[in-house]
Amino acid sequence: KAGVTQTPRYLIKTRGQQVTLSCSPISGHRSVSWYQQTPGQGLQFLFEYFSETQRNKGNFPGRFSGRQFSNSRSEMNVSTLELGDSALYLCASSSGEGAKEKLFFGSGTQLSVL
Amino acid sequence: AQSVTQLGSHVSVSEGALVLLRCNYSSSVPPYLFWYVQYPNQGLQLLLKYTTGATLVKGINGFEAEFKKSETSFHLTKPSAHMSDAAEYFCAVSPLGGANSKLTFGKGITLSVRP
Repeated sequence: KAGVTQTPRYLIKTRGQQVTLSCSPISGHRSVSWYQQTPGQGLQFLFEYFSETQRNKGNFPGRFSGRQFSNSRSEMNVSTLELGDSALYLCASSSGEGAKEKLFFGSGTQLSVL
Repeated sequence: AQSVTQLGSHVSVSEGALVLLRCNYSSSVPPYLFWYVQYPNQGLQLLLKYTTGATLVKGINGFEAEFKKSETSFHLTKPSAHMSDAAEYFCAVSPLGGANSKLTFGKGITLSVRP
């Protein structure tokens, strides 16, 4: 069974630009969640999508948005990039049907904002 | 509200020595507790989790952790460190009955293993 796939692996953008990151969950998983990882703030929850609907949301500004498609693939968009958005963005998938379930993480997209 | 505290950012042990990584949590409701490991340039992998039941939890790669409610702790241990254990370790919490996707993570501890 293929794992969680995130593309691209690396991205370099400049301030003010926007960026879209992609996440393909494990086959059969309906929940995709996104995390931002930085050296200063650590791992922070962005949002979760389940069956094409945002089910949970973290404390990030509206510049961070996402969506989920009918095949459960998810995209995350960041508009008007700031230097502080440089981070490793991780997505995780699960069946989304139980609080005890294991999350499976992808290898992440490393975003550098210049 | 929940929070996780991992004391220290770096732990160094000799190969074969005991590994002890500390985690304390704060939660307004009984939590689910997790330990994840991250190897360089990779995502996170679940080592073990506590939900309910037995407070001593065994995970993969010989790791185990004990949930101590009175101490609000969930320390990770391994009797004998191996070189391959060198990685970053994260403790995380989610509220009982809450979304398993919305984890609150600690800052992480980097484990180094000396030959």
